[in-house]
Amino acid sequence: AQSVAQPEDQVNVAEGNPLTVKCTYSVSGNPYLFWYVQYPNRGLQFLLKYITGDNLVKGSYGFEAEFNKSQTSFHLKKPSALVSDSALYFCAVTNVGGGADGLTFGKGTHLIIQP
Amino acid sequence: EPEVTQTPSHQVTQMGQEVILRCVPISNHLYFYWYRQILGQKVEFLVSFYNNEISEKSEIFDDQFSVERPDGSNFTLKIRSTKLEDSAMYFCASKTTGVVETQYFGPGTRLLVL
Repeated sequence: AQSVAQPEDQVNVAEGNPLTVKCTYSVSGNPYLFWYVQYPNRGLQFLLKYITGDNLVKGSYGFEAEFNKSQTSFHLKKPSALVSDSALYFCAVTNVGGGADGLTFGKGTHLIIQP
Repeated sequence: EPEVTQTPSHQVTQMGQEVILRCVPISNHLYFYWYRQILGQKVEFLVSFYNNEISEKSEIFDDQFSVERPDGSNFTLKIRSTKLEDSAMYFCASKTTGVVETQYFGPGTRLLVL
């Protein structure tokens, strides 16, 4: 069974500072990894994904994530945080099992950017 | 930009009643999903649907649940006899062909069972 761990319930960062939201995963076979963001009372918005290739993937709103196979991690990063980045962030994984695999999500990390 | 839409945005029902949640996936997408998020908890996969049949389902998706694509645009989730613990946000998602494609989520339907 596949799983995702987001060890931090909440991450607090001052505006302008770099941010990291941690994610580790467990899956059989090759992982496909995703980050989604959820604003209050809204659905999930896709940020970025890792499928194969370069371990550093870039996504929307200046976010990027680094895939580390040996550490089974896929941490989300941004060089300079904005107050508007404050939201709930979910890491998700699926494997190469077929075209209709459901995503397994982590419990989410609240990111709070302080002005 | 095309979006997944869901109706209603909120639904309140009595325990034991049937509810149908509706989704309109992005028009050229072929894979469809339902997820749920109980308040304060993580998003959980319920079911995936492709080529007019269920491709995969989780342990949560028991006989109380069913999905249907009644026409060329809608994708529905039916809960036959709701329970208190079915109260959650239900998200529909869709994607085009291929494992590498991204699932795009709708805004959700908040279901409250009293």
